Amino acid sequence: EAGVVQSPRYKIIEKKQPVAFWCNPISGHNTLYWYRQNLGQGPELLIRYENEEAVDDSQLPKDRFSAERLKGVDSTLKIQPAELGDSAVYLCASSFDGGLAGVGQFFGPGTRLTVL
Amino acid sequence: DQQVKQNSPSLSVQEGRISILNCDYTNSMFDYFLWYKKYPAEGPTFLISISSIKDKNEDGRFTVFLNKSAKHLSLHIVPSQPGDSAVYFCAASIQNGNEKLTFGTGTRLTIIP
Repeated sequence: EAGVVQSPRYKIIEKKQPVAFWCNPISGHNTLYWYRQNLGQGPELLIRYENEEAVDDSQLPKDRFSAERLKGVDSTLKIQPAELGDSAVYLCASSFDGGLAGVGQFFGPGTRLTVL
Repeated sequence: DQQVKQNSPSLSVQEGRISILNCDYTNSMFDYFLWYKKYPAEGPTFLISISSIKDKNEDGRFTVFLNKSAKHLSLHIVPSQPGDSAVYFCAASIQNGNEKLTFGTGTRLTIIP
């Protein structure tokens, strides 16, 4: 069974440039999460989707970050414009609705963003 | 405000010995706790969990202990193997269906052959 797929794996951009990350969850998983992991820290939730609906985006910096999950499958996370402090690993995870919190979350390998 | 804390950034243990990783939390509403393991360039993978109605959960070489009064949990790995070398994250959640995880900062475990 294929896991959560993310691309690109690495991205280097200059500040003020836009950037986008893509995630393909595990087939059949209706819940999708985007996390940000800063260096030396644990992952922090940015946004959670149930199918197409963003049900928790309280931690998403909406002035520069946006996300979408068209058709309830793939998702993209965008930053525009990027700032130096956005350098981090962006993790996507998915789970099947109804699973115990955390137990059923499967993470992708992440996209390491470096903003120069 | 760090609600889940892992105060040891790193830990080295000899192969075959016991590894003990610790985690403290401050939010008394947390009622479900998890440990994740992370290898370099990979995403975290679920390892073991425990509900607040229990004080111990065991899965093979891995055991998690929960002390609710002290707001403390620990992960024991016995015996430690070289493949256990990774970063371990403690995470906590409130079982109201929102599946939100709050992670600690991680402990890098190195198993010395």
